[in-house]
Amino acid sequence: NAGVTQTPKFQVLKTGQSMTLQCAQDMNHEYMSWYRQDPGMGLRLIHYSVGAGITDQGEVPNGYNVSRSTTEDFPLRLLSAAPSQTSVYFCASSPLQRGRDQPQHFGDGTRLSIL
Amino acid sequence: SQQGEEDPQALSIQEGENATMNCSYKTSINNLQWYRQNSGRGLVHLILIRSNEREKHSGRLRVTLDTSKKSSSLLITASRAADTASYFCATDDNQGGKLIFGQGTELSVKP
Repeated sequence: NAGVTQTPKFQVLKTGQSMTLQCAQDMNHEYMSWYRQDPGMGLRLIHYSVGAGITDQGEVPNGYNVSRSTTEDFPLRLLSAAPSQTSVYFCASSPLQRGRDQPQHFGDGTRLSIL
Repeated sequence: SQQGEEDPQALSIQEGENATMNCSYKTSINNLQWYRQNSGRGLVHLILIRSNEREKHSGRLRVTLDTSKKSSSLLITASRAADTASYFCATDDNQGGKLIFGQGTELSVKP
């Protein structure tokens, strides 16, 4: 199994551009989430989904959109990139059983720079 | 605001020594998890402890949970240079929807 796959691994954007970060998992996990990791800030939750067609906001959702049309995919869209969105983005997934008592499986991240 | 806060932020020890990292959180939880992150990689799950458990072991890892103090500790015994990484605690929000991570402890184990 590939686990959680994130693409691209690196990206440089100009301010105002839009782009989509891809996340796919092949473990049939219901729960998927996006985090951003900044120095000194740890991981902050952007958006999450408990199943196809269901999404919800995390701690820092502004400037990002998500959708969940299939169990496998959970893309993160930057609508109009800003330098403050320069970060490393991680996607994670887990089975949804009895709440949040399942380990999260992480991708290797997308390193995004906004100029 | 962050649910979990790790302490210390950075820890440097010699190979063979024990490393202890602490995590404090603010609200009631169903469980607490510890993760490890090697430089440039994603996080890897280490151990999960439920709110009705007080201690759990996995190999050289020992995790304790004190729900009255809203704190947890991760002990790595007989550390190795390969243990060099950042370690994060994560807690659920007791509502089934979110898993919130702390800021992490950066561990350096010198050979």
